[in-house]
Amino acid sequence: TQLLEQSPQFLSIQEGENLTVYCNSSSVFSSLQWYRQEPGEGPVLLVTVVTGGEVKKLKRLTFQFGDARKDSSLHITAAQPGDTGLYLCAGPAGYALNFGKGTSLLVTP
Amino acid sequence: DTGVSQNPRHKITKRGQNVTFRCDPISEHNRLYWYRQTLGQGPEFLTYFQNEAQLEKSRLLSDRFSAERPKGSFSTLEIQRTEQGDSAMYLCASSPRLGAFFGQGTRLTVV
Repeated sequence: TQLLEQSPQFLSIQEGENLTVYCNSSSVFSSLQWYRQEPGEGPVLLVTVVTGGEVKKLKRLTFQFGDARKDSSLHITAAQPGDTGLYLCAGPAGYALNFGKGTSLLVTP
Repeated sequence: DTGVSQNPRHKITKRGQNVTFRCDPISEHNRLYWYRQTLGQGPEFLTYFQNEAQLEKSRLLSDRFSAERPKGSFSTLEIQRTEQGDSAMYLCASSPRLGAFFGQGTRLTVV
């Protein structure tokens, strides 16, 4: 099983702060995806990264895929309360799409 | 609404009863996944369909669980003889290739 370890598990910050969350594995992935999930809802796809070293930006969110394609990071600039949620990374393993346990982010006004 | 649809949204059942959940994927997506998620955890992969073929099942999927996707369209997940440990959110997702699009899930409570 290709495990995805996410850190930190919990993060509580104030509005306006910057943060980075991490997704690490000992396995090489052909691609990695990031999702955000709100309580009681299904995860929502944010981005897919496929090339080692790739950087993608989505407004205040910056996603990076490691050169060796074993890890990824998500950086949020000037966090807002609307960014609160569970951030999940996922990668393919055979036909399955395996998820990490997520980083639970709370942004307070 | 052309997103992934799951029914019911909530299900409360007595231990030992059978339950069935339905998932209607995005129509042009040939890939379909089922997941189970408990509080504080990421989604756990249960099974994968490509069109009507069930190509992968997790070891988590005991013989009380069965899934179908007749004609490669909607899918059902049945749990027989439910146990309290089956209480969880059951999520369905469909995919064109990369990236999965999730439904809102079915929250199962076994009492």
